[in-house]
Amino acid sequence: AQSVTQLGSHVSVSEGALVLLRCNYSSSVPPYLFWYVQYPNQGLQLLLKYTTGATLVKGINGFEAEFKKSETSFHLTKPSAHMSDAAEYFCAVSEETGGFKTIFGAGTRLFVKA
Amino acid sequence: GAGVSQSPSNKVTEKGKDVELRCDPISGHTALYWYRQSLGQGLEFLIYFQGNSAPDKSGLPSDRFSAERTGGSVSTLTIQRTQQEDSAVYLCASSLGQGRGISPLHFGNGTRLTVT
Repeated sequence: AQSVTQLGSHVSVSEGALVLLRCNYSSSVPPYLFWYVQYPNQGLQLLLKYTTGATLVKGINGFEAEFKKSETSFHLTKPSAHMSDAAEYFCAVSEETGGFKTIFGAGTRLFVKA
Repeated sequence: GAGVSQSPSNKVTEKGKDVELRCDPISGHTALYWYRQSLGQGLEFLIYFQGNSAPDKSGLPSDRFSAERTGGSVSTLTIQRTQQEDSAVYLCASSLGQGRGISPLHFGNGTRLTVT
C-alpha cells in the first residue's frame, strides 16, 4: 500500500528566500504524485501533479517539484517566497492498482516572514 | 460549474448522538472520497467509492463509521454514538475516476464536527 511522509510539520522562511518542502513516498508500482495547497480558511486545491513523462513538473504560483525515483522523493520548491504563499501544503500519492485511491501526507505549514 | 458541496458546514452534537454528513460531488465524477482532517494529523483517508465497485472502507476508524453513496452521486457519512475524538473537519472530494486515467481531486469546504 502506498504511503507519504512529509518531513517537517512547520517550515518558516523569509520573504524572497527559497522554499523547500520535502515529501517522500512509498509505492509498489509507479506512483502518481501530487501537491495540494490549503490557504487559510479555504479548501484544498491542486498545486501540481506528476503522472508520467518529464520528472520536473511546474505548478501554479511559481512552484515546481521533481520526481526522483531513486530517492522516492517529490520535493516542492519555489525560488522566492512571497507572503501569499503562507499556507498548508499536502503531498499525496496515488496508484493505479489501488483504483487510484489517493493517500495524503500529514501536511507542512509554511510560514513566510517579512 | 458547481463544485463539491458539503452540508452542513458546521455541526455541534452531544457525545453519544448520531450524525450524518452529506456530500454532493461534481456531476459526472465517478470517484468520491471522504477524509478526516484533525489538527496536526493531516488528511486521514476514510473511504473511497469508485463507480459501481465495492467501496474501499479500509480507512474507517471503527464500526461506528459508515458511508453510502446513492445512485453513484450523493454520499452520506454517518457516525453513530459520537465521541469527543470524532471532532474534526470531514472533507469530501470527487474526481473523474478510473477509466479516465489519473485525475486530481476536487474538494468541498468540509463539515466541521464538534462533539461536546
